[in-house]
Amino acid sequence: EPEVTQTPSHQVTQMGQEVILRCVPISNHLYFYWYRQILGQKVEFLVSFYNNEISEKSEIFDDQFSVERPDGSNFTLKIRSTKLEDSAMYFCASRDSGGNEQFFGPGTRLTVL
Amino acid sequence: AQSVTQLDSQVPVFEEAPVELRCNYSSSVSVYLFWYVQYPNQGLQLLLKYLSGSTLVESINGFEAEFNKSQTSFHLRKPSVHISDTAEYFCAAYGSSNTGKLIFGQGTTLQVKP
Repeated sequence: EPEVTQTPSHQVTQMGQEVILRCVPISNHLYFYWYRQILGQKVEFLVSFYNNEISEKSEIFDDQFSVERPDGSNFTLKIRSTKLEDSAMYFCASRDSGGNEQFFGPGTRLTVL
Repeated sequence: AQSVTQLDSQVPVFEEAPVELRCNYSSSVSVYLFWYVQYPNQGLQLLLKYLSGSTLVESINGFEAEFNKSQTSFHLRKPSVHISDTAEYFCAAYGSSNTGKLIFGQGTTLQVKP
């Protein structure tokens, strides 16, 4: 069964450093999403991406964040200069054009020290 | 504001007892509603969904949820829980935009005790 994969599973970084979180969506999906979940809190929408551009972003998704689909398979989230409050679990999700279900990856736990 | 509210942060229950996890949504979200389950140290898995049609939807592992438009609710129920049902449960809805953004509730921790 096809699935969304994410790497790494756990990333530890120093405050101010850049991180790139990687996702491989399901191959025939066209809509891509990033969400985050701060420990003990709810899952929050960050950004949606379709047709090689951002279709919607939340207030959280400020200039420090960017997304990219560098090739036909990967979908990345970059945080330019990490802050302590960026520590969270980051989930990637994808959806096909005809479906209503988003398929989630296992997440990347980002720890900013 | 678009919101999904889960009224209980934790629900402890004994094995084989019935359980209900409550979810209410604001009228400003769409009525595409979902329940996701998150087992410890794992990602989010879709449990069941309501898109249209019958207001009662079921999952393959015995959970069911009922869409109630007048009460803007989508409560999750199971008549008899197992230890393996211990997990975090999230109610979610699509936002009113057509980008597919999911709005999640705060989550409910279901703790099944032997």
